[in-house]
Amino acid sequence: DVKVTQSSRYLVKRTGEKVFLECVQDMDHENMFWYRQDPGLGLRLIYFSYDVKMKEKGDIPEGYSVSREKKERFSLILESASTNQTSMYLCASSVTRTGNTIYFGEGSWLTVV
Amino acid sequence: AQSVTQPDIHITVSEGASLELRCNYSYGATPYLFWYVQSPGQGLQLLLKYFSGDTLVQGIKGFEAEFKRSQSSFNLRKPSVHWSDAAEYFCAVGVLSGSARQLTFGSGTQLTVLP
Repeated sequence: DVKVTQSSRYLVKRTGEKVFLECVQDMDHENMFWYRQDPGLGLRLIYFSYDVKMKEKGDIPEGYSVSREKKERFSLILESASTNQTSMYLCASSVTRTGNTIYFGEGSWLTVV
Repeated sequence: AQSVTQPDIHITVSEGASLELRCNYSYGATPYLFWYVQSPGQGLQLLLKYFSGDTLVQGIKGFEAEFKRSQSSFNLRKPSVHWSDAAEYFCAVGVLSGSARQLTFGSGTQLTVLP
């Protein structure tokens, strides 16, 4: 089975802190994604990466950055956390192939106080 | 730009009743369509997907969905709902962006199952 692991399930951070959310996948997938989930808004794409050191902005990249130094690991960085970034963050991965499925991790609940 | 609409925010059904969750999409090319389910506090699990071929797609847990190009719809159905089906359901369209296919999601439908 594909496994996408998000290292922290629940985090509480203070406004202005730098926050790292880590994601690791074990299936050698080229593509990795970070989504944000908020009630009534569904999932919105923050950033994605289609190769090591490659990244593209999604729909809501403001206030976030990402890092992909190794194929299996994709990090989401909040340079200076704000209360409006309190949310559930979901990491996902996929292969570049027609018909590919995107697999999700279990999510990281971030509260910024 | 692509979009997905799930018109029902919340649906309540009795256990054993049939279920249909609606999904409409907007996308200029041939869509790749997905339904995911999310249990409370968990990530998303793929129920089924449509890429091409037969427009009636079978998925896990007894779910099926039918792609209707003329109506731009991909509705999810189950003939008899179980209490364990209570969850949030997301419809998504897969779009090519750069070198990756990413998903655009609807806002979700919360399903409550009454005993």
